[in-house]
Amino acid sequence: SQKIEQNSEALNIQEGKTATLTCNYTNYSPAYLQWYRQDPGRGPVFLLLIRENEKEKRKERLKVTFDTTLKQSLFHITASQPADSATYLCALNDYKLSFGAGTTVTVRA
Amino acid sequence: GAVVSQHPSRVICKSGTSVKIECRSLDFQATTMFWYRQFPKQSLMLMATSNEGSKATYEQGVEKDKFLINHASLTLSTLTVTSAHPEDSSFYICSAAPPRGGQTDTQYFGPGTRLTVL
Repeated sequence: SQKIEQNSEALNIQEGKTATLTCNYTNYSPAYLQWYRQDPGRGPVFLLLIRENEKEKRKERLKVTFDTTLKQSLFHITASQPADSATYLCALNDYKLSFGAGTTVTVRA
Repeated sequence: GAVVSQHPSRVICKSGTSVKIECRSLDFQATTMFWYRQFPKQSLMLMATSNEGSKATYEQGVEKDKFLINHASLTLSTLTVTSAHPEDSSFYICSAAPPRGGQTDTQYFGPGTRLTVL
């Protein structure tokens, strides 16, 4: 089964800076990869989906890249705000959705 | 759109009792619903896939006699934790997938149920 690694458990950044999160996987490249946001005590909320034939996807201040050669996805939050503080999960779609453990982002005002 | 609710949001029960958690898709029909469990600081782990009108498919290591899943309609799936023990204490989250051919293959998650077994 896939092993999904999100590079760091926690990321602290200053408001206005760009947060970059990494998601690496070990086996075959999935057809698509998703990023979710999870707040404490809440279920995940879908943010972005990127397909294997797409290199980059954007949504407002969010950007996701997908490199099937490196088996890696990068998730960027530009012009970060304290409201962006949350845990961000990457997930790979196969016959089921497999999640990484998440990276908790804290944006300091 | 694509709202999924769960009830209750929090439950505390005594060891040996059974607890039922409901998952509802409020504004779309979900032929498939999923049940996950999440321990503190860990990722979501899929427990089972629930298909309307048929038996659930359980992931390896998940006891189907302990975690009973019923998907009686296109908008409701229930998870019953039978004879709960303290080690079953966890955050249980359901999700629902719109029918294939929808806009994405995204799953929409409920807000989760915090189960504490004393």
